[in-house]
Amino acid sequence: SQQGEEDPQALSIQEGENATMNCSYKTSINNLQWYRQNSGRGLVHLILIRSNEREKHSGRLRVTLDTSKKSSSLLITASRAADTASYFCATEKNQGGKLIFGQGTELSVKP
Amino acid sequence: DTEVTQTPKHLVMGMTNKKSLKCEQHMGHRAMYWYKQKAKKPPELMFVYSYEKLSINESVPSRFSPECPNSSLLNLHLHALQPEDSALYLCASSQEQGGSGNTIYFGEGSWLTVV
Repeated sequence: SQQGEEDPQALSIQEGENATMNCSYKTSINNLQWYRQNSGRGLVHLILIRSNEREKHSGRLRVTLDTSKKSSSLLITASRAADTASYFCATEKNQGGKLIFGQGTELSVKP
Repeated sequence: DTEVTQTPKHLVMGMTNKKSLKCEQHMGHRAMYWYKQKAKKPPELMFVYSYEKLSINESVPSRFSPECPNSSLLNLHLHALQPEDSALYLCASSQEQGGSGNTIYFGEGSWLTVV
């Protein structure tokens, strides 16, 4: 069974607004990684947050991790039309090397 | 340079054909992966190689046969596939298998259609 669930499944916003996506998982993890996937393309790695970290930033991205609630969020600030894509969270369990993906959030940013 | 290169980008094959998907990375990574992604679904792990040895096989049917000829290359040999095997096949690599800081990088994928 899938480790992660994401919500919302789809999100539509205007350019310049912030977008927040949430991810929940079920078991203990080594790390949690966020990826972006444009339609029909491969996965682009966005950010990795270790299980002992609570928050990380990268440019317009902010990721939080709450291991007590087994949840993470990805915030994209000042969104652009080019941010339109599917976003996946993926957890790596203690077994190592096996990423289990959430169902993904489809983000649409309207110009 | 965080690049994983996959060829071909698109492949159409008949159910009796034998074909191969290829993946290459020059980042010195010692772990390589194959994932399968159906339309509108998340990727699912198929195989993991660590130091050129098969480490994880997620109960994948034998019509998919992975091969790691050296630390930079990973192949997926395909034989007697079914139409339901049509999907995007993603190759990935990371410095090591596992670890708290183990960033996994993906290629652009190979679109496979079985007719």
